[in-house]
Amino acid sequence: DVKVTQSSRYLVKRTGEKVFLECVQDMDHENMFWYRQDPGLGLRLIYFSYDVKMKEKGDIPEGYSVSREKKERFSLILESASTNQTSMYLCASSGRILDEQFFGPGTRLTVL
Amino acid sequence: DQQVKQNSPSLSVQEGRISILNCDYTNSMFDYFLWYKKYPAEGPTFLISISSIKDKNEDGRFTVFLNKSAKHLSLHIVPSQPGDSAVYFCAASSGSGGSNYKLTFGKGTLLTVNP
Repeated sequence: DVKVTQSSRYLVKRTGEKVFLECVQDMDHENMFWYRQDPGLGLRLIYFSYDVKMKEKGDIPEGYSVSREKKERFSLILESASTNQTSMYLCASSGRILDEQFFGPGTRLTVL
Repeated sequence: DQQVKQNSPSLSVQEGRISILNCDYTNSMFDYFLWYKKYPAEGPTFLISISSIKDKNEDGRFTVFLNKSAKHLSLHIVPSQPGDSAVYFCAASSGSGGSNYKLTFGKGTLLTVNP
């Protein structure tokens, strides 16, 4: 059974803190993605990676960075958290050929 | 610029009836379309997809129709069940099997199926 796991389901941080969100997949997928979901805005792509150490900006990369040191792990970093980064963060992965993405359960991040 | 549009934020239907969710797209390079279903506090799960070489794909109670000339697709659920109540996202990609792995998502439609 395919699995994408995220390190936390709920997270509360203070403005200015550095925040790490971790995602791990066990499907040997090449591609991994970070989205945020906000009411009325749908899923918006922050960053994605198509190979180890490779990354590309999505539609809303500002305020975020990513790291992919191993194939199975993709980290999203908020260098200095702000209240407008309060959101549901979703990680996904996909194989090289198929476009279907498999999602993790999400991390609800609140920045106070 | 919103390339994938779901113009109905919500839809309410009676159990047993048909649910029709609509999606429009503007990018003519899109050649693969997917529907995802999302329950609150969970990640989206893949439901059904269709390639641009087809105009219909069916999987049990779910059927997706694609009208390329109108740049429109729809998801039909028959019969609708209360457990179908969720947010449905339409997504599209271009260059299937090539170097473009990105999906562009619509904003979602909240379906409520009333018992």
